[in-house]
Amino acid sequence: DTGVSQDPRHKITKRGQNVTFRCDPISEHNRLYWYRQTLGQGPEFLTYFQNEAQLEKSRLLSDRFSAERPKGSFSTLEIQRTEQGDSAMYLCASSYRDTYNEQFFGPGTRLTVL
Amino acid sequence: AQRVTQPEKLLSVFKGAPVELKCNYSYSGSPELFWYVQYSRQRLQLLLRHISRESIKGFTADLNKGETSFHLKKPFAQEEDSAMYYCALRRTSGSRLTFGEGTQLTVNP
Repeated sequence: DTGVSQDPRHKITKRGQNVTFRCDPISEHNRLYWYRQTLGQGPEFLTYFQNEAQLEKSRLLSDRFSAERPKGSFSTLEIQRTEQGDSAMYLCASSYRDTYNEQFFGPGTRLTVL
Repeated sequence: AQRVTQPEKLLSVFKGAPVELKCNYSYSGSPELFWYVQYSRQRLQLLLRHISRESIKGFTADLNKGETSFHLKKPFAQEEDSAMYYCALRRTSGSRLTFGEGTQLTVNP
């Protein structure tokens, strides 16, 4: 296990297209988080799962965004009808429900919407 | 709502000089505070957390509830400390993190 992985690492798409990103957490990590980071800003929370249940969604997550974690393992984040403002780095993190619940981050998926 | 402020986007020091990265937060409860670091072309990683009260790579940070601050300090900066540093807050264990905008630290030789 080499840590949290994300696929693809880079995605270029045209405005209006749909895109889907995948995150594979560290094995046995029951919590999975999605964040978005734009240039010059810190990561902003989007949503998180405990096992397969989506426990919290940010108001940043418009109805064009949907996230799933069907079997409590990997997760997907889909953006429908992409807009130029969706261009950002999408980060995934996972944690294990122990005392510290440290979040381990993946390398991110960089989305560019033309 | 919680908020984290890092007033300096850029900070440049010389090797061997002390360094302090500022972080202020607003939250009505008792949050957990963290410093994350991102070295060039690497992923975001945890540097230290306030509840551990530990020193990592020579860095320390003390939570000052009166001033609502969690400044990161190192007495003698090294070139390998050059990186982007993010202060982060969370309300409870397992909940989401709220990040500041980050401070890019450059340590010059």
